[in-house]
Amino acid sequence: GAVVSQHPSWVICKSGTSVKIECRSLDFQATTMFWYRQFPKQSLMLMATSNEGSKATYEQGVEKDKFLINHASLTLSTLTVTSAHPEDSSFYICSATLAGVHEQYFGPGTRLTVT
Amino acid sequence: AQSVSQHNHHVILSEAASLELGCNYSYGGTVNLFWYVQYPGQHLQLLLKYFSGDPLVKGIKGFEAEFIKSKFSFNLRKPSVQWSDTAEYFCAVNVYNQGGKLIFGQGTELSVKP
Repeated sequence: GAVVSQHPSWVICKSGTSVKIECRSLDFQATTMFWYRQFPKQSLMLMATSNEGSKATYEQGVEKDKFLINHASLTLSTLTVTSAHPEDSSFYICSATLAGVHEQYFGPGTRLTVT
Repeated sequence: AQSVSQHNHHVILSEAASLELGCNYSYGGTVNLFWYVQYPGQHLQLLLKYFSGDPLVKGIKGFEAEFIKSKFSFNLRKPSVQWSDTAEYFCAVNVYNQGGKLIFGQGTELSVKP
């Protein structure tokens, strides 16, 4: 149980275009989803916290107009990287949690390369 | 601000050696503590977690960790490592009443030589 999927697993896009990454909880309803960014050989940095039906809460330094997060249902959250640039190339990981459960269940991640 | 510190950036061990990875956090309130492992090319997996009770917790694959509240530490241990333990290890802290946010340490890369 508690499986989280991400789509796509990797994507290459041209500079200036937008890319959407999906995060789904497959066998449970996720009250909260989190989006992380991981650079090579580095730790996960929380970008934003997303609750179903409400606006995402962004961490300090994360541009909310650049990284659009939508959590339209209890099983789906999306991260859209708008007007992507090469410096946005990274590994994006989502996680999901249930109400009252402190453990997060992580997706496999999406590798974004912006050329 | 809360932070999590992992002392070792890269640890190299031979098979059968004992492992201890340090993790310290800076927060005086109630916390939940986690160790995650990321094998090469794979996603994060939970090794073990501490919420309350016995401060010595046992996880999967023979790992254990001890929560020492007075030292703000949650060190990971394994008595005898295997080549298959080669991976990146992350300590993480969830601060009570902060919406479930996890704060990750910098990670420790473990390389086990066969």
